Amino acid sequence: DAGITQSPRYKITETGRQVTLMCHQTWSHSYMFWYRQDLGHGLRLIYYSAAADITDKGEVPDGYVVSRSKTENFPLTLESATRSQTSVYFCASSEDRGLGYTFGSGTRLTVV
Amino acid sequence: AQSVSQHNHHVILSEAASLELGCNYSYGGTVNLFWYVQYPGQHLQLLLKYFSGDPLVKGIKGFEAEFIKSKFSFNLRKPSVQWSDTAEYFCAVIFPNDMRFGAGTRLTVKP
Repeated sequence: DAGITQSPRYKITETGRQVTLMCHQTWSHSYMFWYRQDLGHGLRLIYYSAAADITDKGEVPDGYVVSRSKTENFPLTLESATRSQTSVYFCASSEDRGLGYTFGSGTRLTVV
Repeated sequence: AQSVSQHNHHVILSEAASLELGCNYSYGGTVNLFWYVQYPGQHLQLLLKYFSGDPLVKGIKGFEAEFIKSKFSFNLRKPSVQWSDTAEYFCAVIFPNDMRFGAGTRLTVKP
């Protein structure tokens, strides 16, 4: 099915471990985004990408790394997970940054 | 600084009541405006959007929003809510260099 898929849906990891959240879209949208959702903060942008091999920091990039070697994939890596990174992570894509975004189903990450 | 404010954190209504959720932004130039809904345990879905033209926009599921440029507002309305409208609602604004979301408003509709 066409769309934007995130994996895994749920993940529990230990402090200090590296973890990668996957995001895949089938529309060939140029733009892809990673947000984290926390109570009281709404959604905050971590990183975004305007095209393959082009990424840029968002509002809260510290502790995260992204890559975009292919247009359809935009993985998010927590290099050394901390408890403050416990959150729900949403990936989104868009044809153009001025248009609305389509969101994936989210990954609920718990760091213990 | 560019920001988006949603004034109501939690709204509780009875079925058939009217709904208005506030959204304000801080920026004097042109913006694109959105309302998203997130049902429990689900991802964000687009309710409606405004780019230009008629400031009263209609979205899915009977929702509408009015852009008032002089007030920097984009309030969401629905004349008669249903239990199934229980969800979290996010206002989002695309500024020239950024898209920002409000903190969200949780709507609980009592049957």
